Amino acid sequence: EAGVVQSPRYKIIEKKQPVAFWCNPISGHNTLYWYRQNLGQGPELLIRYENEEAVDDSQLPKDRFSAERLKGVDSTLKIQPAELGDSAVYLCASSQTRGFTYEQYFGPGTRLTVT
Amino acid sequence: KQEVTQIPAALSVPEGENLVLNCSFTDSAIYNLQWFRQDPGKGLTSLLLIQSSQREQTSGRLNASLDKSSGRSTLYIAASQPGDSATYLCAVSPNRDDKIIFGKGTRLHILP
Repeated sequence: EAGVVQSPRYKIIEKKQPVAFWCNPISGHNTLYWYRQNLGQGPELLIRYENEEAVDDSQLPKDRFSAERLKGVDSTLKIQPAELGDSAVYLCASSQTRGFTYEQYFGPGTRLTVT
Repeated sequence: KQEVTQIPAALSVPEGENLVLNCSFTDSAIYNLQWFRQDPGKGLTSLLLIQSSQREQTSGRLNASLDKSSGRSTLYIAASQPGDSATYLCAVSPNRDDKIIFGKGTRLHILP
């Protein structure tokens, strides 16, 4: 079974430039998450999708961040314009609720450096 | 607001030793607790998931315990190996709605 796929793995951009990250979840997983992980910190949820609906985006800085999950499969996270403080690892995860248990599977992440 | 704390932040031990990583959380009303492993430059791998009704889970040389009333969990690693070197993250879910709150992790280094 293929895992969660993310691209690109690394991205270096200048501040004020736009950037986009792509995620392909595990086949059959209806729930998709985007997290941001700053250096030395645990991941923090940015947005959660149930199929194509964003059900929790309270942590997403909506002035510059946007996300979409067309057809309830792949997802794209965009930042425009990027700021120096956006440098972090952006992780995508997916899960399929099984009864009262669930497990999130994480991709390798995209390491963003804003200069 | 739920907060998750992991102590120590970093730990170095000789190969072969047994060790314990600690996790504490401020609100005992949790749905479940997970321990993850993160290797440098890689994503997270779920190691053990403990439901709120459970006391412990075991997988190979790993054993995780949960004491909800005291807001604590421990991850026990037996007979440590250099390949165990990684960052270990504890995370709690307040409810079934899937939101996970992570600790900052413990960086573990096993000395050959």
